[in-house]
Amino acid sequence: EDKVVQSPLSLVVHEGDTVTLNCSYEVTNFRSLLWYKQEKKAPTFLFMLTSSGIEKKSGRLSSILDKKELFSILNITATQTGDSAIYLCATPKGNTPLVFGKGTRLSVIA
Amino acid sequence: DAGVIQSPRHEVTEMGQEVTLRCKPISGHDYLFWYRQTMMRGLELLIYFNNNVPIDDSGMPEDRFSAKMPNASFSTLKIQPSEPRDSAVYFCASSVAAGWSGYTFGSGTRLTVV
Repeated sequence: EDKVVQSPLSLVVHEGDTVTLNCSYEVTNFRSLLWYKQEKKAPTFLFMLTSSGIEKKSGRLSSILDKKELFSILNITATQTGDSAIYLCATPKGNTPLVFGKGTRLSVIA
Repeated sequence: DAGVIQSPRHEVTEMGQEVTLRCKPISGHDYLFWYRQTMMRGLELLIYFNNNVPIDDSGMPEDRFSAKMPNASFSTLKIQPSEPRDSAVYFCASSVAAGWSGYTFGSGTRLTVV
């Protein structure tokens, strides 16, 4: 069965810490893996990864994909309270809609 | 573009009542998706449309749920009769493709059935 598993489910850190969020997947006809950030409302798109070993970076956030080991990580350096959110990873099964993991709830405390 | 627009933002209803959720996708997006989010199950796909045609409704939990897309700019998700276990946040999203591209989500409808 196709699935996306994220870990940890929740995480509490202090401002300035670096965090690593994990996403493992098992899907047929893998095409891409996407990361979303969800604050109070709708998930917003962060990254799309298609190739192994190529890091995507946006400010303090970065992500990388390992297609051999079937996982991706999302790193956040120098965390701020504004990074508090649910981080979701998702992947389509071929050309079908995105299957989402349950998310990691990150809380950054001052 | 105003993005994906959902209404209402919040809905509180009594068990047994009919509930209708509404969605206006982004113009030019051929795909529309309805997802439901709960703490226990995360984001689950309910149904999706391509060019107004339902493609896969296998995620619709029961016959109490139905969805329509009468034209390219409007879709509804109806629950009749509603039950307390239907309480969740319902998201509509649209995209230019079903699979590889990122979706744009609406702000969601928080449904509470008492």
